Amino acid sequence: EIVMTQSPATLSVSPGERATLSCRASQSVSSNLAWYQQKPGQAPRLLIYGASTRATGIPARFSGSGSGTEFTLTISSLQSEDFAVYYCQQYNNWPLFGQGTKLEIK
Amino acid sequence: EVQLVESGGGLVKPGGSLRLSCAASGFTFSSYSMNWVRQAPGKGLEWVSSISSSSSYIYYADSVKGRFTISRDNAKNSLYLQMNSLRAEDTAVYYCARVDYLWLEYWGQGTLVTVSS
Repeated sequence: EIVMTQSPATLSVSPGERATLSCRASQSVSSNLAWYQQKPGQAPRLLIYGASTRATGIPARFSGSGSGTEFTLTISSLQSEDFAVYYCQQYNNWPLFGQGTKLEIK
Repeated sequence: EVQLVESGGGLVKPGGSLRLSCAASGFTFSSYSMNWVRQAPGKGLEWVSSISSSSSYIYYADSVKGRFTISRDNAKNSLYLQMNSLRAEDTAVYYCARVDYLWLEYWGQGTLVTVSS
């Protein structure tokens, strides 16, 4: 079974700066990778699918890259509303999530 | 507008049962696979179960296999999760989510299940 590993577990970044989150798959998932944002008390929100395509309504400051086993979510200029937990996910008959990266204010 | 609304959560004793429901609207429910995903307090997302559009394919996480049963009623635009032999470690917010190709674009607001004596 494929295992998704995210790093770091916690990332401290100042507003206005760039944040880079990583996700690694234990075997190739091609470009079948999605990213979600979750804020406290809310359901996850789809940000990126197909490794690099922004979902509907997602601001351009969010971008995804990578293929195979290495993926990156970049937030170019952090806004206050971006501080949240981020999950990567791949799908093979069912979804498999990474353990999450908490993006906190530095 | 796509809407998924879960219900049926609550407090149950270990060994007890609970049936969760997810009411779908705003899309052709019978055309989509659906999932249950849960999140224990302070923890990450854990997939629980998947069902294909016509119920032909059903999958369970090992942690719930033999205890949980997923089902759907396309005529009623509803998804269900029958949970038996509940354990403390099943305590979580349970979300239903629609599968869009290989991603989960639409999620419900979640329903809290607490297993405690």
